[in-house]
Amino acid sequence: AQSVTQLGSHVSVSEGALVLLRCNYSSSVPPYLFWYVQYPNQGLQLLLKYTTGATLVKGINGFEAEFKKSETSFHLTKPSAHMSDAAEYFCAVSPGGYQKVTFGTGTKLQVIP
Amino acid sequence: DADVTQTPRNRITKTGKRIMLECSQTKGHDRMYWYRQDPGLGLRLIYYSFDVKDINKGEISDGYSVSRQAQAKFSLSLESAIPNQTALYFCATSDSGQGDRDEQFFGPGTRLTVL
Repeated sequence: AQSVTQLGSHVSVSEGALVLLRCNYSSSVPPYLFWYVQYPNQGLQLLLKYTTGATLVKGINGFEAEFKKSETSFHLTKPSAHMSDAAEYFCAVSPGGYQKVTFGTGTKLQVIP
Repeated sequence: DADVTQTPRNRITKTGKRIMLECSQTKGHDRMYWYRQDPGLGLRLIYYSFDVKDINKGEISDGYSVSRQAQAKFSLSLESAIPNQTALYFCATSDSGQGDRDEQFFGPGTRLTVL
């Protein structure tokens, strides 16, 4: 079975500051890892994903995440926060194949002007 | 046009009523899912279907049932709605083929209130 832990249900950053959203996972097999973003009153959309290969993954809107197997982490970062980044972010893990995805409980990002 | 659509977008109902939420997709995906979202709990899987003849319970299936009428349609029913089923419900799809395995595409959600 797999699981996801997102540290911090709410994170506040100043506009222009570094964004760091933390995600740790557990999986009995090499995982596929995802970050999704949910803007107010919308469904989730994929920010980025790690399947195989390069451990530093770049996504949309300037976000990136690094898969660290030794730390079982997949933290999401963005060098400079923008007001439009205010949203809820979900980390998710899947063992791949015919297995379902497990989502974390989400982190709401507030960007302060 | 949206690839994954959900109807209705908002619904208010009373305890004991039967409710059906519908999901349609034009992505040609074989897998479909129903989730509910509650504040602080993230997304929890209710049911999922990996093809038309395959229906599986998720982690919180009690009080819900589903029907996969076609590859493109997956409906969720609450046979007798209760207030703690008040939540935001999402339908999602994914493709079992190569390339984007397990990436899910979400509908806009249905906000259900049970009084």
